[in-house]
Amino acid sequence: KAGVTQTPRYLIKTRGQQVTLSCSPISGHRSVSWYQQTPGQGLQFLFEYFSETQRNKGNFPGRFSGRQFSNSRSEMNVSTLELGDSALYLCASSRDSNSNQPQHFGDGTRLSIL
Amino acid sequence: GNSVTQMEGPVTLSEEAFLTINCTYTATGYPSLFWYVQYPGEGLQLLLKATKADDKGSNKGFEATYRKETTSFHLEKGSVQVSDSAVYFCALSDTLTGGGNKLTFGTGTQLKVEL
Repeated sequence: KAGVTQTPRYLIKTRGQQVTLSCSPISGHRSVSWYQQTPGQGLQFLFEYFSETQRNKGNFPGRFSGRQFSNSRSEMNVSTLELGDSALYLCASSRDSNSNQPQHFGDGTRLSIL
Repeated sequence: GNSVTQMEGPVTLSEEAFLTINCTYTATGYPSLFWYVQYPGEGLQLLLKATKADDKGSNKGFEATYRKETTSFHLEKGSVQVSDSAVYFCALSDTLTGGGNKLTFGTGTQLKVEL
């Protein structure tokens, strides 16, 4: 069974640009969540999508947005990139949107802002 | 709000030593608890979970028991191997108003196992 797939694995952008990251969940999983990992702030929740609807959102500015498609694949977009957006962005999927369900993570997209 | 506190690392052990990584939590509801492991250059892998008080999660020789009275979920392994060297994260997922699935993580504990 294929795991969570994130593309691309690495990205280099400059300040002011925008970027789109992609996540394909495990087959049959309908919930997709996004997390940001940095050395200073650790792992922080960005948002969760379930059945194409955003269910929860973390404390990030509106520059961070996402969406989910009917096949459960999800994309995350960051506009007007800042140096502080440099991070590992992790996507996780679970069977449904229930706190008992374990989330399964992809290997992440490492975003570097120059 | 919810929070997870883990012991500071790095933790350095000799192979076959006993491992304990402490984790305590604060939650408003009835959380599920998880341990994840992250190897260099990779995402997080689910190590074990417990969904209610007194549950014991176990996997690959690792164990953790959900202790509601002490709000703890300490990770233990009887005999560590060099291949266990990684960063370990304790996390909780709480019941949210309106439903949903959100993990709150501890800061992570780096484990180094030496021969």
